[in-house]
Amino acid sequence: KNEVEQSPQNLTAQEGEFITINCSYSVGISALHWLQQHPGGGIVSLFMLSSGKKKHGRLIATINIQEKHSSLHITASHPRDSAVYICAVRVAGNQFYFGTGTSLTVIP
Amino acid sequence: GAVVSQHPSWVICKSGTSVKIECRSLDFQATTMFWYRQFPKQSLMLMATSNEGSKATYEQGVEKDKFLINHASLTLSTLTVTSAHPEDSSFYICSARDWGQTSYGYTFGSGTRLTVV
Repeated sequence: KNEVEQSPQNLTAQEGEFITINCSYSVGISALHWLQQHPGGGIVSLFMLSSGKKKHGRLIATINIQEKHSSLHITASHPRDSAVYICAVRVAGNQFYFGTGTSLTVIP
Repeated sequence: GAVVSQHPSWVICKSGTSVKIECRSLDFQATTMFWYRQFPKQSLMLMATSNEGSKATYEQGVEKDKFLINHASLTLSTLTVTSAHPEDSSFYICSARDWGQTSYGYTFGSGTRLTVV
């Protein structure tokens, strides 16, 4: 069993839709990261969370430490949001566990 | 914000040759950098942790003599894939943390797609 589970694995949405990607983890963490991987492979770090909620533009990330669960929301989705979104948890020191990613396609 | 530059972005090499991948922190000092590998449709897997001025720490199952890591300065870490084989074909990506940043945490390089023929 993976330490980090994401759902869904694949997601197709119409432009403008509200999107939610979920992440559950089974280990104690010091922080959780949401990453965006573009088709060419490059990765952008979207959020680092240790509690509560963060917002950046149309992106919102929440975490519930007690339930070991985090969600990434995209409001008013756009085709340029199409990418793979990866949930990563950081445990003691600098060790990361990565989810396998959610492939998002936003259709115009 | 913090930027990590990784070069080259893609490389094709012949079996048996060596390939060097560079990872530079452009506007911050990175005492520690991390090297990951990603096979198609799989998650990122940590290969090794690169520490400036000391030996890298390799994850279990990663051959340190095959994947040579050098972190000679606070802004540069290199990964050399020696005697490359087709099974080494993968996407390699580095990351580092700018301790001056609090919002976004770790910064990732753009990755290197290695194809060994």
